[in-house]
Amino acid sequence: GQSLEQPSEVTAVEGAIVQINCTYQTSGFYGLSWYQQHDGGAPTFLSYNALDGLEETGRFSSFLSRSDSYGYLLLQELQMKDSASYFCAVRGGGSYIPTFGRGTSLIVHP
Amino acid sequence: EAGVAQSPRYKIIEKRQSVAFWCNPISGHATLYWYQQILGQGPKLLIQFQNNGVVDDSQLPKDRFSAERLKGVDSTLKIQPAKLEDSAVYLCASSFPASGRSPSDEQYFGPGTRLTVT
Repeated sequence: GQSLEQPSEVTAVEGAIVQINCTYQTSGFYGLSWYQQHDGGAPTFLSYNALDGLEETGRFSSFLSRSDSYGYLLLQELQMKDSASYFCAVRGGGSYIPTFGRGTSLIVHP
Repeated sequence: EAGVAQSPRYKIIEKRQSVAFWCNPISGHATLYWYQQILGQGPKLLIQFQNNGVVDDSQLPKDRFSAERLKGVDSTLKIQPAKLEDSAVYLCASSFPASGRSPSDEQYFGPGTRLTVT
């Protein structure tokens, strides 16, 4: 099976930088994705890492270390609208199916 | 480009009743997913289709849940009979290309159906 661990909640102030960590266990790892979900909304894709290293997309960056089974999402210049749940998701297993973590609730204070 | 469509948006039923959800993926997306998201948790994959074939349904409670994707486009998910613990948001997602191994692995989610079983 596949499993992921991420913090349940992270708080930060507007304008700050925050890092959300994700560790995973899976067989046949293919890649790690990050999704954002606002209350009552649908998950929206943020980033995907298949290889080690840092991927940058605007204010968001995602990092992967396959040897450590670890990744993180870095959010810079936090805005109030970034308050949401963030999920890491791993592709793995024989059927290449996606498994999501329980999510990290990010609360941004003014 | 139209997004993933789902209906209904909300449904309230009593336990032991049946319910069906409909999903229309983004045009051209060969892979379709049904997820169950219980409040406070991440989406849990129920079934993954590629075109009209099942890729994985290992987490689908087959004694009460069924899903089909006729003609490799629209899909329906059915629960019969429903239990209290089925109360959740049911999300449909689709992705491209056909193998699912796209460089970005991006899944596009629909708005979901919020099911309440009383």
